[in-house]
Amino acid sequence: DTAVSQTPKYLVTQMGNDKSIKCEQNLGHDTMYWYKQDSKKFLKIMFSYNNKELIINETVPNRFSPKSPDKAHLNLHINSLELGDSAVYFCASSQDYGGRYQETQYFGPGTRLLVL
Amino acid sequence: AQKITQTQPGMFVQEKEAVTLDCTYDTSDPSYGLFWYKQPSSGEMIFLIYQGSYDQQNATEGRYSLNFQKARKSANLVISASQLGDSAMYFCAMREGPRTNTDKLIFGTGTRLQVFP
Repeated sequence: DTAVSQTPKYLVTQMGNDKSIKCEQNLGHDTMYWYKQDSKKFLKIMFSYNNKELIINETVPNRFSPKSPDKAHLNLHINSLELGDSAVYFCASSQDYGGRYQETQYFGPGTRLLVL
Repeated sequence: AQKITQTQPGMFVQEKEAVTLDCTYDTSDPSYGLFWYKQPSSGEMIFLIYQGSYDQQNATEGRYSLNFQKARKSANLVISASQLGDSAMYFCAMREGPRTNTDKLIFGTGTRLQVFP
């Protein structure tokens, strides 16, 4: 009965590789997000999708490509991984968008990516 | 300019005591939401409490309460009767409303709380 799930939980890979992280939510929410938490624990938005449509793309390198096959899933594909991509990536979801500032975002458990 | 400021990188509190974690924010949008999240050492982000900009009363959720002072743009988290399991990073976050019309949470840098026996 996990609300927001991510796979894998840990990802260790070599520089230059391509990898994907998957996210699924069973809360019936319309909007999903990817956040990056760096080594200093700072969290920053990367992307958001509402009903499969890209809403936010926060100046992320185009090596990062989100894909939303349906509103319950949001995957993150990363090409040509670099050392600086090492971080924790969180998926989140919320009920609505467009000024619905009251809506809580619920986070997945995070994916710890280490690029060697 | 920082939109969310948490000035306490670390805090210590004795078990059973109350502790206040500070958060100030900056926005020109009259509508906004303020959120606190807890991140224990296991890494997940746990939603704790929400305060809306138009809410007349301070939010409370169990041992968590939010000391919301709108004129001062502060939204401090108060944890009463601290427990060892409260040891974690705590993040303050803001989501702006229709005037800004962005969907993202803006986070502060976090406060690491250590509860000692």
